[in-house]
Amino acid sequence: GQNIDQPTEMTATEGAIVQINCTYQTSGFNGLFWYQQHAGEAPTFLSYNVLDGLEEKGRFSSFLSRSKGYSYLLLKELQMKDSASYLCAVGDSNYQLIWGAGTKLIIKP
Amino acid sequence: GAVVSQHPSRVICKSGTSVKIECRSLDFQATTMFWYRQFPKQSLMLMATSNEGSKATYEQGVEKDKFLINHASLTLSTLTVTSAHPEDSSFYICSAITTGERGAVETQYFGPGTRLLVL
Repeated sequence: GQNIDQPTEMTATEGAIVQINCTYQTSGFNGLFWYQQHAGEAPTFLSYNVLDGLEEKGRFSSFLSRSKGYSYLLLKELQMKDSASYLCAVGDSNYQLIWGAGTKLIIKP
Repeated sequence: GAVVSQHPSRVICKSGTSVKIECRSLDFQATTMFWYRQFPKQSLMLMATSNEGSKATYEQGVEKDKFLINHASLTLSTLTVTSAHPEDSSFYICSAITTGERGAVETQYFGPGTRLLVL
């Protein structure tokens, strides 16, 4: 079956770095997406990886290893506004997105 | 960047009535739009895939006669919740995708969501 795993909840300190992992097993692979979702709002796009390696975008970076079925989202210089849920999603062989349950990130002062 | 709008943002209705939610891609053409439902503290649940000019494809367990989807143009898809009941109260989110070569999904843009409360 298709499966995406990510931790349910993580806690980090303002100004620190946090890494959110995502492992996946899907029928086919057409890219991995990371989304940020604040409570009560729709998700917003953060990153897209289709090739192995690290993609950096400001304070956020995303890494992909297709052979390991593994990705992580790295958030640096954490700010209170980064408190949100982070969703990992994989495009399968039909180009539909398979969603993880999301990781709730709590930032403490 | 691409923008997707949704209307209304919030709706309260009586049990038994129907509610229509609009999803528009504002600055790009979206041949495919998705409708999601999200319960509190849960991930997105795909309800259906809406393709312009053809019938929507519904996920298993989603009643197509209850959740009517129409994708009449390349920039508009509508979801109508017919004969709404309190259990239909949820956060409904639409999205539209941009595609690259060979139809590969590039990015999925989400509307702001519609919060439906059925009394």
